[in-house]
Amino acid sequence: DIQMTQSPTSVSASVGDRVTITCRASRGISTWLAWYQQKSGKAPKLLIYDATSLQSGVPSRFSGSKSGTDFTLTISGLQPEDFATYFCQQTNSFPWTFGQGTKVEVK
Amino acid sequence: QVQLQESGPGLVKPSGTLSLTCAVSGGSMSSIKWWSWVRQPPGKGLEWIAEIYHSGTSNYNPSLESRVTISVDKSKNQFSLNLNSVTAADTAVYYCAAYTPFGGFDPWGQGTLVTVSS
Repeated sequence: DIQMTQSPTSVSASVGDRVTITCRASRGISTWLAWYQQKSGKAPKLLIYDATSLQSGVPSRFSGSKSGTDFTLTISGLQPEDFATYFCQQTNSFPWTFGQGTKVEVK
Repeated sequence: QVQLQESGPGLVKPSGTLSLTCAVSGGSMSSIKWWSWVRQPPGKGLEWIAEIYHSGTSNYNPSLESRVTISVDKSKNQFSLNLNSVTAADTAVYYCAAYTPFGGFDPWGQGTLVTVSS
């Protein structure tokens, strides 16, 4: 299985901050990487697909990047509604696997 | 706009079978070709369980493959999950989701909590 190692586990931030979350794949996954936001009691919401493509309707403050097997989700200008848990997922090789999650908390 | 809704028992006895159905509305199952189940134990991360193509071809997570069956009923616009020999470790919120052509799951159902307990 491809392991997705996500860091940090949690991050404390304030409204307006720039937040960066990283996912490292245990081997190459091309750009088959998605990012999700999950709020308490809700289903995950797709933010980014194909490593860098913004899902329709998602604010442009969310962006994704790739460097080798390292993937980054950046929130530029954190908004109150962005406090949530974020997951990465690879769909390059079966079984599809997720990162452990990063909780973005109020500082 | 496609919407998904899970249904099934919220409580299953140990060693029993967990059976869930995902109803697809707002579009044809053939329009989004791959349909998945994902679960999330309380307070934990996400685990992909299985997926099925609208024609019936399926893929499974090897960690669960011996206990899982996924099926599709296009006439009813729904797909289903059976997980047998359940234990407390199978207690989780179970989500159904659609796999987009460019990777990533969207949309998702709202999720249904299944508790395994006697």
